[in-house]
Amino acid sequence: DTEVTQTPKHLVMGMTNKKSLKCEQHMGHRAMYWYKQKAKKPPELMFVYSYEKLSINESVPSRFSPECPNSSLLNLHLHALQPEDSALYLCASSQAWGRAAGVYEQYFGPGTRLTVT
Amino acid sequence: DAKTTQPNSMESNEEEPVHLPCNHSTISGTDYIHWYRQLPSQGPEYVIHGLTSNVNNRMASLAIAEDRKSSTLILHRATLRDAAVYYCILRGGSQGNLIFGKGTKLSVKP
Repeated sequence: DTEVTQTPKHLVMGMTNKKSLKCEQHMGHRAMYWYKQKAKKPPELMFVYSYEKLSINESVPSRFSPECPNSSLLNLHLHALQPEDSALYLCASSQAWGRAAGVYEQYFGPGTRLTVT
Repeated sequence: DAKTTQPNSMESNEEEPVHLPCNHSTISGTDYIHWYRQLPSQGPEYVIHGLTSNVNNRMASLAIAEDRKSSTLILHRATLRDAAVYYCILRGGSQGNLIFGKGTKLSVKP
């Protein structure tokens, strides 16, 4: 099973709302990632978790707050977003992160399409 | 992160082979060459990866130049479902982050 699941598939939220995106994998992967993808652009890396610890934050605004409750789950908490944050949010996982990561493939979920009104 | 260069777009006819090129002249010795594709309205999908030797799997083949400064993804018989953006990415270094470039948009004509 090489599946990464994400919920919800679609989300519409106002600028004052608080919502969360969820991601799950059961491949035993120890690295999990959040990417953001705007229309007709490539995915951009936001956060990397390795062994449930935040390893990379690519200067993401604090209105995005990641959380890794256990090795299978990854959340992205959203608060006070702006309309320009509307995008496809992708979760991914791989066996490992760091110096050994090149040998491993990375699996992506289908994404959550977020619209901020 | 090392950079790759790919054509913006390519066209292919259905049931014909497709060769998608990628240049990576600044590749380091520990960088793996990864290929992913993204179909419309879907998340990226792993295709294939390799280090030095050519690789084959059920989806595609990866041909790596002897000096490793370029590689080619080969789809042996293109189908309409292969129409996607194909990304060639170098994965290595101290972090191994998967950083996407612009990719090649492949169109397949019936």
